[in-house]
Amino acid sequence: EGKLVDFGGGLVQPGRSLRLSCEASGFNFDDYAMHWVRQAPGKGLEWVAGINWSNGRTAYVDSVEGRFTISRDNAKNSLLLEMNSLRAEDTAVYYCVKECRGVCLYAFDVWGQGTLVTVTS
Amino acid sequence: EIVLTQSPGTLSLSPGERATLSCRASQSVGSDFLAWYQQKPGQAPRLLIHGASSRATGIPDRFSGSGSGTDFTLTISRLEPEDFAVYYCQQYSTSPSPMYSFGQGTKLEIK
Repeated sequence: EGKLVDFGGGLVQPGRSLRLSCEASGFNFDDYAMHWVRQAPGKGLEWVAGINWSNGRTAYVDSVEGRFTISRDNAKNSLLLEMNSLRAEDTAVYYCVKECRGVCLYAFDVWGQGTLVTVTS
Repeated sequence: EIVLTQSPGTLSLSPGERATLSCRASQSVGSDFLAWYQQKPGQAPRLLIHGASSRATGIPDRFSGSGSGTDFTLTISRLEPEDFAVYYCQQYSTSPSPMYSFGQGTKLEIK
């Protein structure tokens, strides 16, 4: 099934940048679409960004479009999220997530442990 | 953009009872594109159901999903103590652009 380890979170001031990373193991990384999902403290889940496995096409939720960039390095089995112009409302636990293939396509079957990003002055 | 609304917000039941959780979409969702997750405090979510009604690997058969179009249901036939958690539905749509979204969650608590 695989394992994801996400890291890179921390305390950052509004307007600054932060890069999150995710290391994948136990599955053929370049065969799967990958995503970031976040959860603000005490709140629900919000899909943030995704990247296709075949052509690297990306998609974002409107609130981060133009500020966040998702990318992948298949040679290193890693997923990245570059976050710029951070706002207080970006404060959340960020999860690296693997999308299913086959009959479970469009569902998220493997999740990282989450990394906390806190945006505060 | 498709909005998912889950009800109730909180459901209070006892072990052994049957739980019925609802997820309603603002527009029709393809059945292949609807999933359910369980999240316990301090843990990452876990995939329970994909394709609206198919259990994910290792999920007990007391969990079942049903529905189509705009109305979907997660049923837990006989609640076990470990089932008390927060449950989320999630959908995928392609219009106007590829987009995934979650419902706001239903908290299943012990009565």
